[in-house]
Amino acid sequence: AQSVTQLGSHVSVSEGALVLLRCNYSSSVPPYLFWYVQYPNQGLQLLLKYTSAATLVKGINGFEAEFKKSETSFHLTKPSAHMSDAAEYFCAVSDQGGGADGLTFGKGTHLIIQP
Amino acid sequence: GAVVSQHPSWVICKSGTSVKIECRSLDFQATTMFWYRQFPKQSLMLMATSNEGSKATYEQGVEKDKFLINHASLTLSTLTVTSAHPEDSSFYICSASDVLSASYEQYFGPGTRLTVT
Repeated sequence: AQSVTQLGSHVSVSEGALVLLRCNYSSSVPPYLFWYVQYPNQGLQLLLKYTSAATLVKGINGFEAEFKKSETSFHLTKPSAHMSDAAEYFCAVSDQGGGADGLTFGKGTHLIIQP
Repeated sequence: GAVVSQHPSWVICKSGTSVKIECRSLDFQATTMFWYRQFPKQSLMLMATSNEGSKATYEQGVEKDKFLINHASLTLSTLTVTSAHPEDSSFYICSASDVLSASYEQYFGPGTRLTVT
């Protein structure tokens, strides 16, 4: 069975500081991994996805994530936080690529940006 | 491209009544659609997967007779919450994918907030 663990339900950083949101996964097969962002009362927007190509994945809005198989991690980073980055972030895993099977989500991390 | 809409965006219904939520893919054919449920300040939980023209596959613990899913066309799936109760109040989000495109991506709708009084 798949599972996703997101360390830290809330992360607070200063504007301009590094953003690091942690995600560890458990999967019996090579996983497909995703990061989504959710703004209040809205659906999810895909930030980036790992599909077994390059281990360093670049996404939208300056975010990137690195797949580390040895650590079963897929942490999300952004060099310089912006106020507009304040939102809920979800890490998700899929066995079949996400198109044919449902995603298993982590509990989410609420990112707070301090001015 | 790849836009998914949901209707209504919010709905209030009385306990015991049924409510239908629509999920549409606007600019692509959705061979597979998914329904998720999100409780306040919590994660999304997959409820069911539906393929066009087939019966939905429900996740363990989800009552298929309570949450009726129909995926009659390649652009429309509906979720009907039957005999709704206050504990069914939640944020319901659908997603859609075109498994023929190999993009490994689900496109999410904006969600429907259901409140049962």
